[in-house]
Amino acid sequence: ETGVTQTPRHLVMGMTNKKSLKCEQHLGHNAMYWYKQSAKKPLELMFVYSLEERVENNSVPSRFSPECPNSSHLFLHLHTLQPEDSALYLCASSRGRTGGETQYFGPGTRLLVL
Amino acid sequence: QKEVEQDPGPLSVPEGAIVSLNCTYSNSAFQYFMWYRQYSRKGPELLMYTYSSGNKEDGRFTAQVDKSSKYISLFIRDSQPSDSATYLCAMSAGNAGNMLTFGGGTRLMVKP
Repeated sequence: ETGVTQTPRHLVMGMTNKKSLKCEQHLGHNAMYWYKQSAKKPLELMFVYSLEERVENNSVPSRFSPECPNSSHLFLHLHTLQPEDSALYLCASSRGRTGGETQYFGPGTRLLVL
Repeated sequence: QKEVEQDPGPLSVPEGAIVSLNCTYSNSAFQYFMWYRQYSRKGPELLMYTYSSGNKEDGRFTAQVDKSSKYISLFIRDSQPSDSATYLCAMSAGNAGNMLTFGGGTRLMVKP
């Protein structure tokens, strides 16, 4: 479908669970992003990684913990989430972080927290 | 006030109509303007990309940017049912590490 894949596509978890979201890009890009998309709200940038270094953390609660082991993979580790964290979590990548670089999105993981 | 404003719709049009989608913004530093299309249960896909003011055309799609009015538009000619999706505008100042600011999206329905 696209050069950015995400697993799982759907996830249901309780507030005490720990789970991880995975993103992989096959485009040879150097920057990767995590976004949160909630109903009736604009996409919210959560984290940015450039060359495996976290360069942005947009005031995200510590119950979300990102990991970027290499330039092709990005994880979002989840623990003790709240029901309001239910949303579509989107991963994106771009060639670099200079202005105007196109971001390519994956299909997202739809998360439901019970 | 939101940094980027976009009417959420839904906008319902008959097949073949010309569709106009719009966003207004407040940050005069924005230089790069994008339109993404998002189908239900999918991630956003880039549709149009424009730098600074002006028009850009690609097939049935035309993007316009008016920086003096802080207003961008996407026109879809001869709309098709397959154009039914949510359209997101996004913009970047270009000097902040490629950070995009998105509008909330407009849901478009093209009826056969």
